[in-house]
Amino acid sequence: QQQVKQSPQSLIVQKGGISIINCAYENTAFDYFPWYQQFPGKGPALLIAIRPDVSEKKEGRFTISFNKSAKQFSLHIMDSQPGDSATYFCAASLIRVQGAQKLVFGQGTRLTINP
Amino acid sequence: DAGVTQSPTHLIKTRGQHVTLRCSPISGHKSVSWYQQVLGQGPQFIFQYYEKEERGRGNFPDRFSARQFPNYSSELNVNALLLGDSALYLCASSLQGSNQPQHFGDGTRLSIL
Repeated sequence: QQQVKQSPQSLIVQKGGISIINCAYENTAFDYFPWYQQFPGKGPALLIAIRPDVSEKKEGRFTISFNKSAKQFSLHIMDSQPGDSATYFCAASLIRVQGAQKLVFGQGTRLTINP
Repeated sequence: DAGVTQSPTHLIKTRGQHVTLRCSPISGHKSVSWYQQVLGQGPQFIFQYYEKEERGRGNFPDRFSARQFPNYSSELNVNALLLGDSALYLCASSLQGSNQPQHFGDGTRLSIL
């Protein structure tokens, strides 16, 4: 119930195309869903996040779509660029007693944008 | 503004040894979390500390311990190192509160020989 399942494991998209990464969760108590981008040798960097009372959130070329009934959420990268080539992680957070926040991460998607 | 800083960046140890990893949070952040990232996988939650108290613990053995200091910096200690402890150890800091975003450092790469 604490798992977040992410797909695909790897993705190759042509420059200018749309990259789509999907995640699914089981625990309906999750109440915060961030996406992180990680480059080799670096820590994950927060890209965009959404709460379950919103169905879509857009920031620049990045959009999160959230389907609460299906317990799924996805990241769309519009006009994908070679600089977007990185590993992307979805995550879900469960607020516990005294505000402790534990992020549960998906397995990651290695995205390659071909020029 | 300085981000989350971790030291050392790389470390090589042998089985049975112990290790201490250090983390300085973003200025103003009082919450620090530790994650373990094995190669090819997503980070796994180890601990969260706020106001020097442990607020959450993941499914890790007692060989893993941590603490937070009055300046909100933190240490992660691992005893009796095993080969399987080889990983990238990430520290994240955040403001305390509902769903405050966690900001990660670049981690300490720990290799066990």
